[in-house]
Amino acid sequence: QVQLQESGPGLVKPSETLSLTCTVSGGSMRNSFWSWIRQPPGKGLEWIGYIHDSGTTKNNPSLSSRVTISVDTSRNQVSLRLTSVTAADTALYYCARHACRGVTCSLYLFDSWGQGTLVTVSS
Amino acid sequence: QSILTQPPSVSGAPGQRVTISCTGSSSNIGADFDVQWYQQLPGAAPRLLIYGNTNRPSGVPDRFSGSKSDTSASLAITGLQAEDEADYYCQSYDHSLSGHVVFGGGTKLTVL
Repeated sequence: QVQLQESGPGLVKPSETLSLTCTVSGGSMRNSFWSWIRQPPGKGLEWIGYIHDSGTTKNNPSLSSRVTISVDTSRNQVSLRLTSVTAADTALYYCARHACRGVTCSLYLFDSWGQGTLVTVSS
Repeated sequence: QSILTQPPSVSGAPGQRVTISCTGSSSNIGADFDVQWYQQLPGAAPRLLIYGNTNRPSGVPDRFSGSKSDTSASLAITGLQAEDEADYYCQSYDHSLSGHVVFGGGTKLTVL
């Protein structure tokens, strides 16, 4: 069964860049979509963006100009970069795998989630 | 403010039936995009509960069911149990702004 593990700095200063990595184990990254989703403390879920292992990406329009998602299939990793962070970016950051049936993958159905990593933006 | 609207909270006694609504618009649920439901227990990651409007993944009890009509969807939980106390999120896709994934604001279910 696939497992996802997020990692990265737990504290980032305002105006700096948040960088996180999601390491995938127990399954192949080939022909799959991978999303980043975040959850501010005590609040709801917000989709950040997704990437296909081919490199195709799509981001949340509200964050698009600050978000870069990349994939390294040789290392089984998906990465997130969020620039110019503010306190509003403080959240639990999850990576999630999109569900696939054969070679067809959903653009918006997540069947596996990591446990999340908390990032606090503070000076 | 979330594109999909859910009630902030619902409650019910053990054994009762509760429903959670998810209201969208013509650019998401009403555009025939599927609705998913996720359950988030305290301190845990979200777990897929319902997919494709009405389908349950393996391991999800049949006490949970989903439905969809026009621009709205609903999650029903029958035979409420203490372990069902959690946050529930609906999720779909919106074709505005070149398309993006959208979540509801979440509903806190309290088992009385």
